[in-house]
Amino acid sequence: DAGITQSPRYKITETGRQVTLMCHQTWSHSYMFWYRQDLGHGLRLIYYSAAADITDKGEVPDGYVVSRSKTENFPLTLESATRSQTSVYFCASSESTGVSVEQFFGPGTRLTVL
Amino acid sequence: AQTVTQSQPEMSVQEAETVTLSCTYDTSESNYYLFWYKQPPSRQMILVIRQEAYKQQNATENRFSVNFQKAAKSFSLKISDSQLGDTAMYFCAFMSPYSGAGSYQLTFGKGTKLSVIP
Repeated sequence: DAGITQSPRYKITETGRQVTLMCHQTWSHSYMFWYRQDLGHGLRLIYYSAAADITDKGEVPDGYVVSRSKTENFPLTLESATRSQTSVYFCASSESTGVSVEQFFGPGTRLTVL
Repeated sequence: AQTVTQSQPEMSVQEAETVTLSCTYDTSESNYYLFWYKQPPSRQMILVIRQEAYKQQNATENRFSVNFQKAAKSFSLKISDSQLGDTAMYFCAFMSPYSGAGSYQLTFGKGTKLSVIP
């Protein structure tokens, strides 16, 4: 089905482990984004990508790594998870032209770091 | 950097009544977009309405409308004939597509939790 999907939907891990959250979109949107949602903070941008092989930092990038070898995929890796990275993670995509700027969000991944 | 402020952490409204959610923002840009997103208990982020700053006319989408005051940097959301399904977190968001690198990112407020009471 067309759309934007995230996997896993729920993940529990331990401090120090590496975790990768997956994001896949079927619209061939050029832009993709990773946000984290925490109580009292709304959503904050972690990383974004304007196209394949082009990525850049957002507001809260520390402790995260991204890659984008294919237009449709934008994985987010926590290289050594910490408790402060317990959060809900949202992936989004957008065509991001001058006319079409809306971002479409995936269902989110709830990550718990013990 | 742009900032978005939602001063009402929680609100409630009786079913069928009207409620207004407030949002203010700070920017030095003249061209930008503003959005309201709804997040029901399912956690899915759903776009409710968008407003282009260069348009003076306030956007409307069925029961949802905005009051956009550019000079005051205010962007409130009015929900008419509130329904139980409107119960959700509502986020105000800002985007400035013309400000260079990273310009398509959204800056969110902290959200307003709206409860519709039967």
